[in-house]
Amino acid sequence: NAGVMQNPRHLVRRRGQEARLRCSPMKGHSHVYWYRQLPEEGLKFMVYLQKENIIDESGMPKERFSAEFPKEGPSILRIQQVVRGDSAAYFCASSPQGTGGEQYFGPGTRLTVT
Amino acid sequence: AQKITQTQPGMFVQEKEAVTLDCTYDTSDQSYGLFWYKQPSSGEMIFLIYQGSYDEQNATEGRYSLNFQKARKSANLVISASQLGDSAMYFCAMREFGTGTASKLTFGTGTRLQVTL
Repeated sequence: NAGVMQNPRHLVRRRGQEARLRCSPMKGHSHVYWYRQLPEEGLKFMVYLQKENIIDESGMPKERFSAEFPKEGPSILRIQQVVRGDSAAYFCASSPQGTGGEQYFGPGTRLTVT
Repeated sequence: AQKITQTQPGMFVQEKEAVTLDCTYDTSDQSYGLFWYKQPSSGEMIFLIYQGSYDEQNATEGRYSLNFQKARKSANLVISASQLGDSAMYFCAMREFGTGTASKLTFGTGTRLQVTL
């Protein structure tokens, strides 16, 4: 049973470009969470999605960031017009249910903005 | 107020010794869960142990145990018989089940553990 998959593992973007991060949850999991880890800090919650629905986006910056989890395919975290401060590790986690239960983390995508 | 506080930015322990990593939390919910994750230098997040607020027994998983003191709101991780491979960042995290945002994990700032020979 494959774990949570994230790609790419490393992504380099120039300031002003778009970054698109993908997350495929574990088989049978319909709940996806995105977290951001700035250098030398803990993970910070960004958004929680179920298939075709955003459940909680209280941690998402108001501008330039968006997330989706379509009926088919991976969850996508999109960052438009990236800035240096967006450089971080972005982790996706999935769970079979929303409340309770463990969240299984992917390996993360390291975004570097030059 | 910080939801999760880890006051030890770095810790050293000798191989084969036990070490305690501190974690205190702040919540007004009666129902919550506490987690510990390990993050080695390769970067992935590895789940170690879970304690529910209503669990009467302290959680244990192999060499990991969680010293849960509910009245003090502390959930310290104890690693027994440390190994060189235990060198990593360790994060304490909490989920609060009584609120509308019951699904998100709130993390502390982490403790970097270095195991020495």
